[in-house]
Amino acid sequence: DQQVKQNSPSLSVQEGRISILNCDYTNSMFDYFLWYKKYPAEGPTFLISISSIKDKNEDGRFTVFLNKSAKHLSLHIVPSQPGDSAVYFCAAVGGYTGTASKLTFGTGTRLQVTL
Amino acid sequence: NAGVTQTPKFQVLKTGQSMTLQCAQDMNHNSMYWYRQDPGMGLRLIYYSASEGTTDKGEVPNGYNVSRLNKREFSLRLESAAPSQTSVYFCASLSGFNYNEQFFGPGTRLTVL
Repeated sequence: DQQVKQNSPSLSVQEGRISILNCDYTNSMFDYFLWYKKYPAEGPTFLISISSIKDKNEDGRFTVFLNKSAKHLSLHIVPSQPGDSAVYFCAAVGGYTGTASKLTFGTGTRLQVTL
Repeated sequence: NAGVTQTPKFQVLKTGQSMTLQCAQDMNHNSMYWYRQDPGMGLRLIYYSASEGTTDKGEVPNGYNVSRLNKREFSLRLESAAPSQTSVYFCASLSGFNYNEQFFGPGTRLTVL
């Protein structure tokens, strides 16, 4: 049962335009969401996050929107740059054991930014 | 700071062989994690360690064992490798309760023939 879903396996966007990556979740107990970026042959790196008490968080060119009622979040990249070409994973936090938070990841969306 | 380091980077095993994947972090983080990444499956949690001396199963623990050797090191062992364990393995660490951002190592690409 996939609790975090990224239904678009790939996305192609022209340089300078907006990239919108989507993520849906089913578990209403998730209370924190993160986006990770992954280049080939490297580990994922943290990009941006949002708490469930907010509906928007912005960091430079990256903005994450959360719609709790729809159990949907999206990552907007404006303007898109060729260096943004990577796989983007959505992740949700659910379940704590002491100081450990557990992430549930989506399947990823491969973004290609073309010239 | 090296962050999270993993060894080896690549490994090829034959079915039935055993091996240990090593992970170390120099950020003084309490929690450490092992994930596997397979095509179309995202990252799935194998085992995690909330703090030194504790380990717990994640989503896909079968066929694996872990050891939290000390605060810095968290190893993953395959006792009898199977082709289904062909994957890319990532180790990650987390500083504490109020910080959800996990830091990942570069990964180990394992092929089981």
